[in-house]
Amino acid sequence: KNEVEQSPQNLTAQEGEFITINCSYSVGISALHWLQQHPGGGIVSLFMLSSGKKKHGRLIATINIQEKHSSLHITASHPRDSAVYICALYSGGGADGLTFGKGTHLIIQP
Amino acid sequence: DGGITQSPKYLFRKEGQNVTLSCEQNLNHDAMYWYRQDPGQGLRLIYYSQIVNDFQKGDIAEGYSVSREKKESFPLTVTSAQKNPTAFYLCASGQGPNTEAFFGQGTRLTVV
Repeated sequence: KNEVEQSPQNLTAQEGEFITINCSYSVGISALHWLQQHPGGGIVSLFMLSSGKKKHGRLIATINIQEKHSSLHITASHPRDSAVYICALYSGGGADGLTFGKGTHLIIQP
Repeated sequence: DGGITQSPKYLFRKEGQNVTLSCEQNLNHDAMYWYRQDPGQGLRLIYYSQIVNDFQKGDIAEGYSVSREKKESFPLTVTSAQKNPTAFYLCASGQGPNTEAFFGQGTRLTVV
């Protein structure tokens, strides 16, 4: 079973700061997802990647397959970015769902 | 708009009662999933279905049951056999393992 470690667990920053959230895993994967969960509980998919880097607005996701590590960056952070960010993996071998990290609780203060 | 609808958002039940959580999707996805989220833990897979009339147990299936009679619908029943049913339940769908996952808004179940 793939082990997923996210860091930090909690992060409080000031508006405008550059944010980095890390995700490490133990077994090779087919795809890695970054998800955002707002206080109401609903989850939105931010990125799905299997190599390299993806960018969407102020969000950037990178993955290093050899090092089994991915990062989510937020540039020019804003209070509306406050949420829980979750890394999730699919390891392959059948449609058995994703393995999730415990999440990083991000608070951006104005 | 396409998406996944879970209902209700909040649900209260007495201990010993079965309760069914609804999940409907209009994305034409073959695969659907149920996850459970507890404070301080990652989401855990309860059941998944790759196709109509077929479903498989996930990591924590004990005390739960599902059905997949229609492609659009994947209801989850929390039975009285589930020892600690109070949790946040999320439904998801997708076209396969290497495709984007779509999630519902979740149902928060409280058993008293």
